[in-house]
Amino acid sequence: TQTVSQSDAHVTVFEGDSVELRCNYSYGGSIYLSWYIQHHGRGLQFLLKYYSGNPVVQGVNGFEAEFSKSDSSFHLRKASVHWSDSAVYFCAVRDPGTQVVGQLTFGSGTRLQVYA
Amino acid sequence: EAGVTQSPRYAVLQEGQAVSFWCDPISGHDTLYWYQQPRDQGPQLLVYFRDEAVIDNSQLPSDRFSAVRPKGTNSTLKIQSAKQGDTATYLCASSSGTANSDYTFGSGTRLLVI
Repeated sequence: TQTVSQSDAHVTVFEGDSVELRCNYSYGGSIYLSWYIQHHGRGLQFLLKYYSGNPVVQGVNGFEAEFSKSDSSFHLRKASVHWSDSAVYFCAVRDPGTQVVGQLTFGSGTRLQVYA
Repeated sequence: EAGVTQSPRYAVLQEGQAVSFWCDPISGHDTLYWYQQPRDQGPQLLVYFRDEAVIDNSQLPSDRFSAVRPKGTNSTLKIQSAKQGDTATYLCASSSGTANSDYTFGSGTRLLVI
């Protein structure tokens, strides 16, 4: 069974700061890791994913994440945040399933608050 | 390309009432997922389909919840007799079911049971 851990429930930064949101996973199979953003009262929006290849993946709005097999991590980073980045961020790992592509298992989320 | 469409956006019920949620996935996506997201928590899978077949419904409270996808396109999730503990956002997602496919989520239905 796969698990996803997001150790920081809340992160607070100022506009222009860099930020790293942490995600650790526990799964030994074929890796599919992703990040989603959820603004208040909205659905989940896809940011980026890692499936294979370059461990540093680029996403929308300047976000990137780095996969590390040795650390079992997939941390999300942004060099310079904007107030509109304030939202809840979810890390997810996919269970490949037995017959078809499986479901995503989500972490508990990290609430990012950006002050102007 | 149209996204995943869910309706209604909001529902308010008294305990014991029934409610249905509807999801229209992205055209061509054969895999459809229903998630429950309680307030301030991550989404948790309830059930998912490939085409019209249920692949995993082990987390679906079968005494009160049911889900169907009869033609392998739209899907309906129904709560027969709602409880206050069902208060959550219900999210639908779809994917093309390939190894590298993305998952696209709808805006969700926010349910309040009073």
